[in-house]
Amino acid sequence: QQQVKQSPQSLIVQKGGIPIINCAYENTAFDYFPWYQQFPGKGPALLIAIRPDVSEKKEGRFTISFNKSAKQFSLHIMDSQPGDSATYFCAAYTGTASKLTFGTGTRLQVTL
Amino acid sequence: DAGVIQSPRHEVTEMGQEVTLRCKPISGHNSLFWYRQTMMRGLELLIYFNNNVPIDDSGMPEDRFSAKMPNASFSTLKIQPSEPRDSAVYFCASSLFGSDTEAFFGQGTRLTVV
Repeated sequence: QQQVKQSPQSLIVQKGGIPIINCAYENTAFDYFPWYQQFPGKGPALLIAIRPDVSEKKEGRFTISFNKSAKQFSLHIMDSQPGDSATYFCAAYTGTASKLTFGTGTRLQVTL
Repeated sequence: DAGVIQSPRHEVTEMGQEVTLRCKPISGHNSLFWYRQTMMRGLELLIYFNNNVPIDDSGMPEDRFSAKMPNASFSTLKIQPSEPRDSAVYFCASSLFGSDTEAFFGQGTRLTVV
């Protein structure tokens, strides 16, 4: 059973564009929502994270929007660059169980 | 700190052989996770430990897979006997239990079973 649904599976944008990656969850026990960035041959690394009591969080060019009532959250990358080309995973964390569940990933390609 | 250290980085083995993957978590972290990554299924949580105790192994695909954490600084994931469908990248990650801090991932072990 997939607890975190992520879309799209892949995304191609031009340099300067704003890719948007969406995730949805069902389990209301999730209480922390990180996004991970993974480059080929590397392990995932934390990019940005949000708690459900906040509707938006911005760090540099990366923004998470969170809709608690809809149980959805999304990642926006402003002014995207070729160096942002990577696979992005949303995740949901259950603090009481210390368990991190990942979405299926979005492969982003930023072209010149 | 050197981060989460996994070994080997690459492993090629024949079907039916035993495979052991190793992980050294970040010092002081008391939660450890094993994930498997494939193109078809993405990142799957296999098992995780809190304070060296297995908490949830519901993601372990079958009895051929086993994981141990004999102490706070070492964990193994064993596959016996291995099958071609076990070919994947296996990641180990560690974090501080009960906090919202990030899980730090190792570089992964790419396993190929031929």
